[in-house]
Amino acid sequence: EAGVAQSPRYKIIEKRQSVAFWCNPISGHATLYWYQQILGQGPKLLIQFQNNGVVDDSQLPKDRFSAERLKGVDSTLKIQPAKLEDSAVYLCASSFNGNTIYFGEGSWLTVV
Amino acid sequence: QQQVKQSPQSLIVQKGGISIINCAYENTAFDYFPWYQQFPGKGPALLIAIRPDVSEKKEGRFTISFNKSAKQFSLHIMDSQPGDSATYFCAASSGTYKYIFGTGTRLKVLA
Repeated sequence: EAGVAQSPRYKIIEKRQSVAFWCNPISGHATLYWYQQILGQGPKLLIQFQNNGVVDDSQLPKDRFSAERLKGVDSTLKIQPAKLEDSAVYLCASSFNGNTIYFGEGSWLTVV
Repeated sequence: QQQVKQSPQSLIVQKGGISIINCAYENTAFDYFPWYQQFPGKGPALLIAIRPDVSEKKEGRFTISFNKSAKQFSLHIMDSQPGDSATYFCAASSGTYKYIFGTGTRLKVLA
């Protein structure tokens, strides 16, 4: 079974530029998550989708971050404009029944 | 209320020793407590998980101990090996499948 796929793996951008990350969850997983993991910290939930509906986006900085999950499968997370403090690993995860979430390898963002 | 507090931040253990990582929570609505293992450059991977209806769960060298009244749970790694060197995260979730993660413990097992 294929795991959660993310791209790009690494991205370096200047502050105020924009960036987009893509995620393809495990086939059949209705729940999709985007987490932000700053170096040395635990993953912090940005947004949770159930199929193509948003369940929780309370910690998503909506003035600069946006996410969508078209057709309840793939998802895109966008940051515009990026700030230095957005430097982090953006982890996509998916779950079939909520008991186990499977993470991708992450997209590493450095904002300079 | 939504926090999961994890300690210690880092841990060094001799090969063959016992590694113990502790977590505490406040929200009594949490009903699922997984532990994740993360190697450098990789995403976290589920290691072991427990529900509050049992006080202990063991899988190989990994054991979760759960104290519902104290709202604490811990991970014990028996016979720790250098290959166990990684960062460990505890987490908690409720019926909405929203997971809250601890801050992580960097474990180093000396050969």
